[in-house]
Amino acid sequence: DIQMTQSPSSLSASVGDRVTITCRASQSISNYLNWYQQKPGKAPKLLIYAASSLQSGVPSRFSGSGSGTDFTLIISSLQPEDFATYYCQQSYSSLGWTFGQGTKVEIK
Amino acid sequence: QMQLQESGPGLVKTSETLSLTCSLSGGSISSHYWSWIRQPPGKGLECIGYISYSGSTNYNPSLKSRVTISVDTSKNQFSLRLISVTAADTAVYYCARGVRQLAPPYFDYWGRGTLVTVSS
Repeated sequence: DIQMTQSPSSLSASVGDRVTITCRASQSISNYLNWYQQKPGKAPKLLIYAASSLQSGVPSRFSGSGSGTDFTLIISSLQPEDFATYYCQQSYSSLGWTFGQGTKVEIK
Repeated sequence: QMQLQESGPGLVKTSETLSLTCSLSGGSISSHYWSWIRQPPGKGLECIGYISYSGSTNYNPSLKSRVTISVDTSKNQFSLRLISVTAADTAVYYCARGVRQLAPPYFDYWGRGTLVTVSS
């Protein structure tokens, strides 16, 4: 199965900061990569699909890029409501779709 | 607006069967992929599997021998059955819609999740 590795596992940042989260696949997955945001006690929310397409209703400060094995989620100017855990997810493998281990974004 | 709602027992005994149902409102179950995802307390997300609108299934290889996902189109519901549960199956279980339209698949609608605890 395809392993997804996110880095860092956690980070501390301030409001207004630019935040970058990376996700690496154990094999090429083309652009079959999605990003989700999860707040405590809530279901995950889709932010980015197909590596770089912004889901409807998601603020434009979120962006995604990458293809193959290396992907990036960028929050251009961190807002108070963005403190959460972020997960990448591959939907390429016919053996099953897998998530990264998550990146927790905390207030500095 | 589409909504998904999980239902089922919150407590299951060790070695018994976990059964959950996801009810869909505001949309039809006769298209897309219908998925189960779980999250152990304090841990990350794990895809359990999905069933397509055509009835084909795909299961996580690590759970495949114990899992069945089925759909009831007449009730606009789909279900999860996990046999021989252990404490390691304690988790919040989410149902979600998987979409594949002119783009790689993704989960766009999720239920709120339901905590299932496995205990003797």
